[in-house]
Amino acid sequence: QQQVKQSPQSLIVQKGGISIINCAYENTAFDYFPWYQQFPGKGPALLIAIRPDVSEKKEGRFTISFNKSAKQFSLHIMDSQPGDSATYFCAASTPGNLIFGKGTKLSVKP
Amino acid sequence: DAGVTQSPTHLIKTRGQQVTLRCSPKSGHDTVSWYQQALGQGPQFIFQYYEEEERQRGNFPDRFSGHQFPNYSSELNVNALLLGDSALYLCASSSRQGGGETQYFGPGTRLLVL
Repeated sequence: QQQVKQSPQSLIVQKGGISIINCAYENTAFDYFPWYQQFPGKGPALLIAIRPDVSEKKEGRFTISFNKSAKQFSLHIMDSQPGDSATYFCAASTPGNLIFGKGTKLSVKP
Repeated sequence: DAGVTQSPTHLIKTRGQQVTLRCSPKSGHDTVSWYQQALGQGPQFIFQYYEEEERQRGNFPDRFSGHQFPNYSSELNVNALLLGDSALYLCASSSRQGGGETQYFGPGTRLLVL
């Protein structure tokens, strides 16, 4: 049973464009929703996170939008750069246990 | 400030063998979680240790076991290795006092079972 569904599986964006990655969850007990960035051969690095009582959170070029009633959340990367090319994972958490989506491989073309 | 460290970086074993992976948490963190990441997949939760006890466990068989030491470092042991155990094993640390949700990952140990 996949509790966090992530789409698309892969994404190609031109430099300067907006990258959008979507996730949906099933368990209403989840109370913390982080996004991680992973480069090949490295561990996931925390990008930004949100709690369900907030509809949007912005940190630099990264924004999370959260829709509690639809049980969906998304990551927007503004002004995408070639250095943003990586795999992005959404996750949902009950205390201590992160459930990850399957990941989105982002390629930003110069 | 050192982040999460893991050793070894790579490991090759044969089926049926046993392996031990090690993790040192980020300074100030007291909780360690272990994840398995198969190629092309998201990390899957194995278990979490706090105060030297296993607190939560994911859907992994008893062949996977762990330990946490008084200095908060941790080990993951896998017995009777199967080909399907080949994966990147990730350790993440967090702080119970800080709420516990934010987990910081190490670089992982790449295990290949032949």
